[in-house]
This record gives sequence, structure tokens and C-alpha cells, in this order.
Amino acid sequence: GENVEQHPSTLSVQEGDSAVIKCTYSDSASNYFPWYKQELGKGPQLIIDIRSNVGEKKDQRIAVTLNKTAKHFSLHITETQPEDSAVYFCAASIRYSSASKIIFGSGTRLSIRP
Amino acid sequence: DARVTQTPRHKVTEMGQEVTMRCQPILGHNTVFWYRQTMMQGLELLAYFRNRAPLDDSGMPKDRFSAEMPDATLATLKIQPSEPRDSAVYFCASQSYEQYFGPGTRLTVT
Repeated sequence: GENVEQHPSTLSVQEGDSAVIKCTYSDSASNYFPWYKQELGKGPQLIIDIRSNVGEKKDQRIAVTLNKTAKHFSLHITETQPEDSAVYFCAASIRYSSASKIIFGSGTRLSIRP
Repeated sequence: DARVTQTPRHKVTEMGQEVTMRCQPILGHNTVFWYRQTMMQGLELLAYFRNRAPLDDSGMPKDRFSAEMPDATLATLKIQPSEPRDSAVYFCASQSYEQYFGPGTRLTVT
């Protein structure tokens, strides 16, 4: 089955700097890669996703890149702000129907230093 | 603004008691997931349903946990009897293409 590894487990960056979180997946059939942000006391929130027919996707200060050959994908946050502090999860899924389950990475705790 | 709702948000109970957690998925979403989150284990998939039928419950301890979807607007997760090791946050999520999480039920078993 699919296995998703995520690094680093913790990340501390200076406010205004960029943060990068990296994930690898094992199943080459995976074709959908969402990213979730979880703030303290809340459920994970979908912030961006990418499908395997796309190499990069941007939404304001966040971007995701996908390298299908190497089976890795990354989340990039630019101009980090205090509200970016949270736990981020990457995930992978083989999307053939709405019934496909998502395999999550172990999470990255991002802290933004003022 | 469609969202997944879960009740109760917090539950404290004594070991041996039955616990029932409820989830209302987003209207029109036909796949519902139950996850458990602890500091040590991250997000664990317990079970999931499509069109109310269980697809996979291999992540769930069968002797004490049960999950059902009595109708399209309600999913339940029961623990009987509860044990201190069940203390965790339990999330429900519903999916059409994207998967959306509820706010969770924080369960403490003493």
C-alpha cells in the first residue's frame, strides 16, 4: 500500500522568511496530493492540492511542486507570518472515485519566530 | 458555508463507560471517514464508508469500537467499554473529491 514520509518533523523560521516541507510517496499510481494545515484545537484544513498532471500550483503565498519521477512533492510558504504557525500534513491518494482514501504523512510543526 | 459537524466537542468519561461520537457530513458527500489523533500516532484512519456502506474498518479495534451510518446525514463511532488508552481526538471527515474535516471530539477516559 501507499506510504507517505514527511520531513522535517519540526521547522522554525524567522518571520518573513520562506518555509519548505518535503514529502515522498511510494505508490507510483498516486495522482492526488493535498496539503492540510492544523491549528491548535482545530481539525485539519485543506489549504492546497495538486493533481499528477500538474507540476506546480500556487495560491498567494503558498505553492506546491510535484516530481512524479522522483515521487516527491513539496509545500513552499513565502513571506511567512505568525498565523502560518501550525502543523502541516501532506497526503497522497489514488483518485479513481470519491471513495479513495488518503494516506497522510506524519506532520510538520511549523513555528514562525517574530 | 458547508462544513462537517461533530458532537460532542469534548467528552470526559470513566473507564468502562460507553462513548458515542456523532458526525454530520457535508450534504452531498458520499464518503465519510473516522480518524483518531494522538501525539504519538499522528492521524490514524479507523474506518470509512461510501454511500453508508463500510468500505474499510481494519484500523479499528473490533472488540470495542463500532462505526455506523444510520442515514446519509449521520455517522456514529461508539466505544464500549472505553479505556484510558482511547483518550485522543477523534475526527470525522467527509469527501466528494476533496476531503474536509470536522472540528473533532476530544475524548478523555479516566
